[in-house]
Amino acid sequence: DSGVTQTPKHLITATGQRVTLRCSPRSGDLSVYWYQQSLDQGLQFLIQYYNGEERAKGNILERFSAQQFPDLHSELNLSSLELGDSALYFCASSEGGGFRYNEQFFGPGTRLTVL
Amino acid sequence: QQQVKQSPQSLIVQKGGISIINCAYENTAFDYFPWYQQFPGKGPALLIAIRPDVSEKKEGRFTISFNKSAKQFSLHIMDSQPGDSATYFCAAADNYGQNFVFGPGTRLSVLP
Repeated sequence: DSGVTQTPKHLITATGQRVTLRCSPRSGDLSVYWYQQSLDQGLQFLIQYYNGEERAKGNILERFSAQQFPDLHSELNLSSLELGDSALYFCASSEGGGFRYNEQFFGPGTRLTVL
Repeated sequence: QQQVKQSPQSLIVQKGGISIINCAYENTAFDYFPWYQQFPGKGPALLIAIRPDVSEKKEGRFTISFNKSAKQFSLHIMDSQPGDSATYFCAAADNYGQNFVFGPGTRLSVLP
């Protein structure tokens, strides 16, 4: 158990809908990262927050947004969902603010299915 | 230029054998190279990582070899065990702190 929690575990929704995925980092970790894992795109970095501020942005679509709250939990909002958004979404956390030399601890993921 | 290539896509090794997974990159701004292990139904977990000022790093049965001039790095798993059966991802981060990319993954099966 990494200490990172994600809810819900599974989510099934329809095209055009909006969903919110939630992540609670490990105690003491200030950074939260979001990743998408799909069969055709592999593991892709979406976005990182450090202590409430956006730190780095990867291949995140404009239909997707995220935020980190004062208690350091984070939410990833996915809107106008398309079939291709079906994937596993992972949250990770780390103590420090960068990718380098900071071990990221991954949560168990949320499996999103868009029908 | 942001891509990390990884091979093979899948690998079958006998128990006790050596598993070798190779990765290559183009972006010379990459300067941190971690390897992740992922079991089915779980999130990836950091296995071992290397910086480009070191040519080799060993942790137990796992060794990373790094060739800066060739822009290649590899993971060697010595004395492979059935419990090592998982998907392995190489990754790279740049020194601007803005980019973190994964290779496509290698599915390793270690036969008992």
